[in-house]
Order: sequence, then structure tokens, then C-alpha cells
Amino acid sequence: GAVVSQHPSWVICKSGTSVKIECRSLDFQATTMFWYRQFPKQSLMLMATSNEGSKATYEQGVEKDKFLINHASLTLSTLTVTSAHPEDSSFYICSASSSGTGVYDEQYFGPGTRLTVT
Amino acid sequence: AQSVTQLDSHVSVSEGTPVLLRCNYSSSYSPSLFWYVQHPNKGLQLLLKYTSAATLVKGINGFEAEFKKSETSFHLTKPSAHMSDAAEYFCVVSDIDDYKLSFGAGTTVTVRA
Repeated sequence: GAVVSQHPSWVICKSGTSVKIECRSLDFQATTMFWYRQFPKQSLMLMATSNEGSKATYEQGVEKDKFLINHASLTLSTLTVTSAHPEDSSFYICSASSSGTGVYDEQYFGPGTRLTVT
Repeated sequence: AQSVTQLDSHVSVSEGTPVLLRCNYSSSYSPSLFWYVQHPNKGLQLLLKYTSAATLVKGINGFEAEFKKSETSFHLTKPSAHMSDAAEYFCVVSDIDDYKLSFGAGTTVTVRA
């Protein structure tokens, strides 16, 4: 149980275009989803936290107008990278938690999406 | 705010020998601590977690970790390394009142035949 999927697994886009990444919890309801970014051979950095039906909370230094997050249902969150540039190329990972109160519960991670902006 | 320090960026062991990955944490409250493994091009997999129960935590694939509050450490061990253990390992901390996870920089494990 507790499977999280991401789509696509990899994407190449041209500079200036937007790309949407989906994160789905397949067998549980995810009241909270998290988006991370991982540069090559580096650790994961939390970008934002989203709760179903409310606006995402972004970490300091993350541009909310560039990285649009929508958590429209209990099983789906999307991250849209708008006007992508080569420096946005990275590995984006989502995780999902079934906690509804913000108190820690285990996070289940998706397999990640590799974005390359040319 | 919580943080973790993984003391080794790279660990190389021979197959069949013990593995030790060191992690020290900093936390204002009672922390929850985790070890995750990431194989190339794969998602993160939880190896084990400590959440204020037994200080010696057993995980999957023969791994275990011991929570030592006096040393603020949560080192990961395995008595006998297997080739399939070659991967990136992350020590992670979460405070009891903060659902955010803070990741260490990671330790790359290579296993020699």
C-alpha cells in the first residue's frame, strides 16, 4: 500500500514554455502533499507544502508564481513550472501524507520527474 | 529548527562486510528520525524510522539504527553488505510539531565485489 506515482517520469521542454507534473496517491487519500527539488548528487530541498483545497505554502526563496501548485483533490497534486529556463532543470519529487491536521505522519514518495529545459 | 549532518559523503565497503553510515541531528524538540534509500533513477524508499519508541530500530533489508539522545546521533548499520545496497542514503529529521522533513546531504554507498 501507500503508493505515490508521478507523471511524466521525464520531460524535455524548450525554454519559455510551461510544463505540468502530476503527483497521485494511488491507494490512499493524501490530505497533504509535498514538492521537493533535487539537483544532481545533492539532497532534497522542500519547495512547498500543499493541503487539499487550500493554497500551497512555499518555502523561502521559492517563487510561487513560477512554481504553481494545485492540490485539487485528495489524490492529485500538480506542479506547473511556468516559463521554464535551463536553470529549472532538475529532479522534482513529490510526497504524500495522509495526515489532515499538519501533525507529522509518514510521507510516501513518488519516483520523481526529471525535467530538462533546453 | 531541525537539521541533520551526515558525516560521510561516500562510504565504500566490500561485499559481506559491515556498513556504518553516520548521522547527527539537531532538533529543538523530540525528533522523529528516518533513513531513506534512493537507488539510481528510483524513488525514495523508507528503510526505518524512530518516533520515540524503542531506541534500537530495525528496518528493511537487514538495516538497523540506534537513537542516542546523549550523542544526538542516529547511525545506520548493516552487518553484511550486499551488492544491491549500493545507493544513496539520506538521514532525515522531523520535529514532533513540524511535519516538514529536513534531509541530510546524503551518503553514497558503493559495494565492492
